Amino acid sequence: QVQLVESGGGVVQPGRSLRLSCAASGFTFSSYAMHWVRQAPGKGLEWVAVILDNGSNKYYADSVRGRLTISRDNSKNTLYLQMNSLRGEDTAVYYCARGYRSMDVWGQGTTVTVSS
Amino acid sequence: EIVLTQSPGTLSLSPGERATLSCRASQSVSGSYLVWYQQKPGQAPRLLIYGASSRATGIPDRFSGSGSGTDFTLTISRLEPEDFAVYYCQQYGISPTWAFGQGTKVEIK
Repeated sequence: QVQLVESGGGVVQPGRSLRLSCAASGFTFSSYAMHWVRQAPGKGLEWVAVILDNGSNKYYADSVRGRLTISRDNSKNTLYLQMNSLRGEDTAVYYCARGYRSMDVWGQGTTVTVSS
Repeated sequence: EIVLTQSPGTLSLSPGERATLSCRASQSVSGSYLVWYQQKPGQAPRLLIYGASSRATGIPDRFSGSGSGTDFTLTISRLEPEDFAVYYCQQYGISPTWAFGQGTKVEIK
């Protein structure tokens, strides 16, 4: 079945780095754009970044541009989010999601907590 | 940057009642680019409506979307117990950019 599974979350100190992964299965990963969307505790959804199917184009929310980097390895059916210079406001559940204009498949999320 | 404002923040209704949720954009949005999601506690969001009015696969026909320009509506014709959740609208802009509204919680009255 179509599935996205995130991993890599955890507790990290401010200023440190973390890399999230999203493993895709059950569909042709290389044919789809992929997003990262986050949700701070008790808050709404915030779009973070998107990468097109072949990885050639990437777009970011202003709040993360320059600190977070989206990438993908189509040979491994995996999406990544490299998170550098982490701040308290990056604390959230991070979801990967499939699609371009809309997001039709979502993972279960991985939690990132930035705290000293 | 287009900002989406959802109203009301919370909707208190009983099962069987009709729910009408609003999503207003700060600038005109192509209807093709307006999307609705449902999120239950502890779960990932689920795609309900895309292109403003097209139901996603497996979504019951009690869910319907409408609207154009800056005003969009999600209607749940008769609330079932499983429909009590938070609903988000989302737009795709041509920059390109993506943005979510702040959500509407539909709670049991």
